[in-house]
Formats: sequence, structure tokens, C-alpha cells
Amino acid sequence: GQQVKQSSPSLTVQEGGISILNCDYENDMFDYFAWYKKYPDNSPTLLISVRSNVDKREDGRLTVFLNKSGKHFSLHITASQPEDTAVYLCAAGDANYNVLYFGSGTKLTVEP
Amino acid sequence: DPKIIQKPKYLVAVTGSEKILICEQYLGHNAMYWYRQSAKKPLEFMFSYSYQKLMDNQTASSRFQPQSSKKNHLDLQITALKPDDSATYFCASSQDWDWGDAEQFFGPGTRLTVL
Repeated sequence: GQQVKQSSPSLTVQEGGISILNCDYENDMFDYFAWYKKYPDNSPTLLISVRSNVDKREDGRLTVFLNKSGKHFSLHITASQPEDTAVYLCAAGDANYNVLYFGSGTKLTVEP
Repeated sequence: DPKIIQKPKYLVAVTGSEKILICEQYLGHNAMYWYRQSAKKPLEFMFSYSYQKLMDNQTASSRFQPQSSKKNHLDLQITALKPDDSATYFCASSQDWDWGDAEQFFGPGTRLTVL
């Protein structure tokens, strides 16, 4: 089965609002968690990542929350802007293997 | 200047033929990877290499063969092409093959269509 799941294929948020993107994973050996941004016909670009020894990491308008017991992590984007419109991919991996497993993506649309 | 080059950007092939996808990275990284994204499927890990050595292979078919002639090159040879091989193939790299610096940078991709 799919190791990493993004249950919401799409999300629409008003400009200035908070975008919350969710990701669930199955393998409790995973200890690296990341969010990538992808535009159509472009490559994924890393936004932010965390290791399993922290449950939160902030970087500007981006915050990753990790809930290991629930095997869930999320990306919060504050003050969402139309330029944030893109597909967001979550990824997780096991430090022993350096393999990233990706979710299917959530298409975020920020409306002016 | 692009740091990871993939050639060609688009590729059309006929069933049964063989193609090579090119990847070169100019980031000074020691680890390189191939991922594949088929239509309506998540990005899927295929191979990882570290210092030109295969570290992990999660591709079931031997029709897919990575080739590393130099540390910053990792090409992907695909033989006996099938329509199901149609996908965008992404090359990626990271500084090293461990989680000390786990960030993987992705190339622009090669979109392969097999007719």
C-alpha cells in the first residue's frame, strides 16, 4: 500500500488566511519528514523538513507539525498569498535507507 | 544556470525500443537518485547511488538500469519499452547518502511517452 498519504487532493484558501496541508504515513520507522512545492511541468522544490526528534519547525510563514504517535504531519502556511498556489507534496523516509516516499499531492489554490 | 540537467526534456518512443535518460548534477553532491511519476500516481523512488555505487533499488523490472560513468552523472537506460513506462522521470541528488544533510534536489524531469 501507499506509505504516505495526502487525503485532500485540493484545498482553496482566501488570501491572507492559513493554509493547512495534511499528511499521514504508515511506517513508524520514518524519521525524516518534508514538504515539497511543485508547479505543473516543474520539478519538486523542498520547502521545509524536520527530523523525528522535533515536533515543530518554523521557517517564515511555514510551520511543520509532527505527531509521531498519530503518524501524521502537517504544513501550515500563514498569510497565504496567490503565489502560494501550487501542488504541495509531503514526503517521509527512514534514515537507514535514504529513500523518500511521497504523497500524491494537494493542490492549493489561494484566491485573491 | 541549472544545477541538475536532465536530457531530453521530452521523449517519445515506440514499444519495444530502448532509450537512455541523461542526468548530470553540478552541485558537488555525492548521492544521486531516480524517481518516476506516472499519471495520477505519487512520485515513486526507483534507485539511489552514492559515490557511483548502487545503494537501493526499488524497481521490480531489470529493464531499468542506471549507469554512472562519472560521480556527477547518473543516466537511466530503459530497454524493451512498454506503454506503462510512460511517465516523467526525475533525477535528484543530495550532498551525501545519509540524513545528516538529507535535502534532495530534483532535476526538471524527462517526460517519456511510449506509443
